[in-house]
Amino acid sequence: DAKTTQPPSMDCAEGRAANLPCNHSTISGNEYVYWYRQIHSQGPQYIIHGLKNNETNEMASLIITEDRKSSTLILPHATLRDTAVYYCIVSAWPGANSKLTFGKGITLSVRP
Amino acid sequence: EAGVTQFPSHSVIEKGQTVTLRCDPISGHDNLYWYRRVMGKEIKFLLHFVKESKQDESGMPNNRFLAERTGGTYSTLKVQPAELEDSGVYFCASSQDGYGYTFGSGTRLTVV
Repeated sequence: DAKTTQPPSMDCAEGRAANLPCNHSTISGNEYVYWYRQIHSQGPQYIIHGLKNNETNEMASLIITEDRKSSTLILPHATLRDTAVYYCIVSAWPGANSKLTFGKGITLSVRP
Repeated sequence: EAGVTQFPSHSVIEKGQTVTLRCDPISGHDNLYWYRRVMGKEIKFLLHFVKESKQDESGMPNNRFLAERTGGTYSTLKVQPAELEDSGVYFCASSQDGYGYTFGSGTRLTVV
């Protein structure tokens, strides 16, 4: 079972920031928070990951609370192409003994 | 760099037939994973290769599924004999050095 909970859906206006929440209250000390998204009929796409510090890359920012029990993915300027299902996943550092456990994710709809 | 390639992209077979799915990971990626989504359900892990060795095959549903990765390069997933409940989208992913997984576009399998 997934160790994360996410709202089923949200929407935002094009050009505005999209803030996607995720709860992971049972996260272990060695587990990272990963975000992936799946745009219709494509394979999941890696977005970002973090352990305890906030992270930023060209796609998004990840804000992790100090107690690590929740996080927020921020798409700073959402576009219509960002409409997708976003998955928040906790997992050990990828490698010999890791796998991704997908939940239902959150469906983000970006409206014009 | 070339991404993860899967083929065929679609396959329609009759119940009882055999189907082989192929995945070409990103060159140099030691880790290769198979996942699948059956209709209405979440994406589920099937198995994980490290080079040519099966690291974790705990997600394989039954012995009708056989995965191989000869020489540690491409991988095949054979379903024999196929059943109706095997219909779904099969994703392959690869990773190296613990960074985000790169998924292929998937193979949509329909068993009729």
